[in-house]
Amino acid sequence: GAGVSQSPSNKVTEKGKDVELRCDPISGHTALYWYRQSLGQGLEFLIYFQGNSAPDKSGLPSDRFSAERTGGSVSTLTIQRTQQEDSAVYLCASSQGDRPDTQYFGPGTRLTVL
Amino acid sequence: AQTVTQSQPEMSVQEAETVTLSCTYDTSENNYYLFWYKQPPSRQMILVIRQEAYKQQNATENRFSVNFQKAAKSFSLKISDSQLGDTAMYFCARSNSGYALNFGKGTSLLVTP
Repeated sequence: GAGVSQSPSNKVTEKGKDVELRCDPISGHTALYWYRQSLGQGLEFLIYFQGNSAPDKSGLPSDRFSAERTGGSVSTLTIQRTQQEDSAVYLCASSQGDRPDTQYFGPGTRLTVL
Repeated sequence: AQTVTQSQPEMSVQEAETVTLSCTYDTSENNYYLFWYKQPPSRQMILVIRQEAYKQQNATENRFSVNFQKAAKSFSLKISDSQLGDTAMYFCARSNSGYALNFGKGTSLLVTP
C-alpha cells in the first residue's frame, strides 16, 4: 500500500513568511508524528497526534509552530514568521497507534529560510 | 534527558564484508523498544530492524541482525555481506512507555567496491 507522503518536497521561503507543510499518513494509522532534522540538533520530536485525543505538543520549539490533523488523517504543520534557524528537514511518521510501536516515515520536506 | 548515543560518526566497509554499528542508550523504563533506521541520500527513513526489550532473543532481518545487551544498555547492528545499497546514515532509536522516538546522532556508513 501507499506509504507516508509529504508535500512539498522542498520549500524555500523568506524570513518572516509563514509556511505550511503537509503530511498524508498511511491509511488506517491512528498515530501521526512530526520530527525535525537539522545538522546541529539531529532528529527532534515536535508533536504527536493519536486518534481524537488532544495532541502532545511538548516538542514544539516555540509558539510560532503549530499543527493540526483534520479528520484523523492529513496533518498540516504551520510555521509562522519563519526564522533562519527553522531551516531543516521536517519528517512526518505514522503508526498503528499501539504503544510502543513502529513508526513509518515520509520522505520529508526540506525547508530553507533565506 | 534520556539519551541514545552512537559513538561512530562515520564508518566504511568493503562490499561483501561485515560491519557492526554501535549504539548505547539510557532509560529508566523496563519495557521499551529499540530500532535501527536507515536514511539514504533520498532522505526517506527506512526501518531496518526492531527489538522488544522484553525479548531475550536478538532480532534478525535477512543480512541485518542486532546484539542486544539489556544490562549494558547496548544495541549494536551487524550488517553481513555488505552491499553498495547499504550506503546510508543509520540511526539508532528508542521508544519506551511514551511514543516519541529518541534518536542517536547517526552513523554514516559507506560501502566501497
